[in-house]
Parts: sequence; C-alpha cells; structure tokens
Amino acid sequence: GQSLEQPSEVTAVEGAIVQINCTYQTSGFYGLSWYQQHDGGAPTFLSYNALDGLEETGRFSSFLSRSDSYGYLLLQELQMKDSASYFCAVSGGYQKVTFGTGTKLQVIP
Amino acid sequence: DVKVTQSSRYLVKRTGEKVFLECVQDMDHENMFWYRQDPGLGLRLIYFSYDVKMKEKGDIPEGYSVSREKKERFSLILESASTNQTSMYLCASSSATGVDTQYFGPGTRLTVL
Repeated sequence: GQSLEQPSEVTAVEGAIVQINCTYQTSGFYGLSWYQQHDGGAPTFLSYNALDGLEETGRFSSFLSRSDSYGYLLLQELQMKDSASYFCAVSGGYQKVTFGTGTKLQVIP
Repeated sequence: DVKVTQSSRYLVKRTGEKVFLECVQDMDHENMFWYRQDPGLGLRLIYFSYDVKMKEKGDIPEGYSVSREKKERFSLILESASTNQTSMYLCASSSATGVDTQYFGPGTRLTVL
C-alpha cells in the first residue's frame, strides 16, 4: 500500500518563504507530484519530481529525496493568493496515484 | 485549453436512489479517475480506467461502480445511495505517459438525505 504524511496546516507571512514537507511509504515509486487547491476549486497540478533534486517553476520549487522517501514544496515571495491547500501525491505504478491529506496554507499580511 | 467537465456541481439525492455522475474530457486522455474528497481525508481514489471498457478498483470502491464506454466519458454510479456517500466527487484525467499530471473537473457536491 501507499501512505503519505504532510502537515495539516501552515501559516506564513506575505513575502516570506514557506516549505511544505511530505513523507511517503510506498510499495512502488515512480514520482512525487504536488497540487494546489483553492477553496471551492479543483486541484491543479504544480510540479512533478521523478529524480532526486530540486525542480524550479517560477516562485514554486519542489524537492525529492528518494532515499529518504521525502519531498517538499517551497513557495517563495508568498502572495495572498497562495492561500490554498497543497497536496502531495505519489505514483506507484499501474497508472494509480495516491494523494496525501493536504496542507492548508494561510498567508497573512 | 484542457477541459474536464462534470455533469452537475451540486446534487441532492435520497437514500436508496441510484445516482449517476458523469465526467467528460476533451484531451483524448487514456486515463480517467474518480476521487472523493472529505475534510481531513484528502482525495481518495474510488476507481480508475486506463482504456475504454477497462476499469480498476481504487482504495475505496465499495458501494460504487463505473462505466467507460467511450474514451472521453467516465461515469460513476452509486447503485443505492447512502448518507455516508455524501461528499465532493472529483473526476480527473491524464495521458497514458503522464499519469502524474492529472487534470481535474470542478467537482460534484453530492448530498444524500
């Protein structure tokens, strides 16, 4: 089976940097992805890591360490519109993806 | 522009009713998924399909069935709705080679009374 752990809530100040961690246990592993979901909206894809290291996409970066079964999403220069829930997700083969329970990020002025 | 649509945004049904939730994607994606989302539990996979007429159980298939007669359409069926199936239902699709990049529909909030 697969299980993921991420913090349930994080609060950060506008303009700051925040890191959302995700640890996973899987029977098979292809990659770690991140999704953003605003209240009342649908999840939208942010990033994907299949190999160890950092992937950068604008203000967002995602990191993966396969040996530690660990990854994180880094949000820089936080803006109020970044207030949302963030989900990590693991693909373990057979076209199946398992999502974490989500981290609710609140950005405060 | 990529698009996944779901037949209803809000739905209210009575216990014991048969419920159909429809999802259509216009991206020619091979994979389609049905999730339910409940507070504190994240997104849980109900069923997925990697090809027409093919289906695989996800993590919580009990009480649900699915149908995929055409590539662009994936239906979720609640044979006899129960109150514990009150939830937000999200449909998603992805290409065969890009399962990690899923495109989600707007969701259907189902209430079973």
